[in-house]
Amino acid sequence: QSALTQPPSASGSPGQSVTISCTGTSSDVGGYNYVSWYQQHPGKAPKLMIYAVNERPSGVPDRFSGSKSGNTASLTVSGLQAEDEADYYCSSYAGNSYVFGTGTKVTVL
Amino acid sequence: EVQLLESGGGLVQPGGSLRLSCAASGFTFSSYAMRWVRQAPGKGLEWVSSISGSGGSTYYADSVKGRFTISRDNSKNTLYLQMTSLRAEDTAFYYCAKILAAGKGMDVWGQGTTVTVSS
Repeated sequence: QSALTQPPSASGSPGQSVTISCTGTSSDVGGYNYVSWYQQHPGKAPKLMIYAVNERPSGVPDRFSGSKSGNTASLTVSGLQAEDEADYYCSSYAGNSYVFGTGTKVTVL
Repeated sequence: EVQLLESGGGLVQPGGSLRLSCAASGFTFSSYAMRWVRQAPGKGLEWVSSISGSGGSTYYADSVKGRFTISRDNSKNTLYLQMTSLRAEDTAFYYCAKILAAGKGMDVWGQGTTVTVSS
């Protein structure tokens, strides 16, 4: 149950795109199409942004998209807005257990 | 409105016990698996435990296996986490969360409750 690897930080100017990677193994990310992404603002509970690799819950803007290739999943935020500044965590099913990523702080310049 | 409300957190000495509760409302509680997730101060998210809708299947992170017990009372729409043999490293904010569907992420989260293990 080792944490998935994410870059500690990412940044972009308003209107630009930022992509966050999430690297695991064939036992988690690579083995299942059950990758989720969560957004967390300071002092708040996490919010589900993407599930099942590339599905968006209702109410999540289509600026948020997900993908996966092999053992690495990615979250892309297009058209960055100030409110997108937050911590982002990936998560994957790992066979009767779940593992989160190390987290990425996204800064809107 | 779909809502989860945790309670039961507090300060406990190492080796002590604590029971967290999570009251659910606004959805058919028994139809959904639930999870506990924790976040140590200034750290990332960590999956703690999961339970099926019926309560018949439970799963635990290695870090809490044998010390924590997840359970639910579907007649009371409440999820529990019984924590024993608490350690300093269990100090964290504990969230309960509703699973959207099997393997499909947690779509509803509570506001969390703080557990501090210290002498």
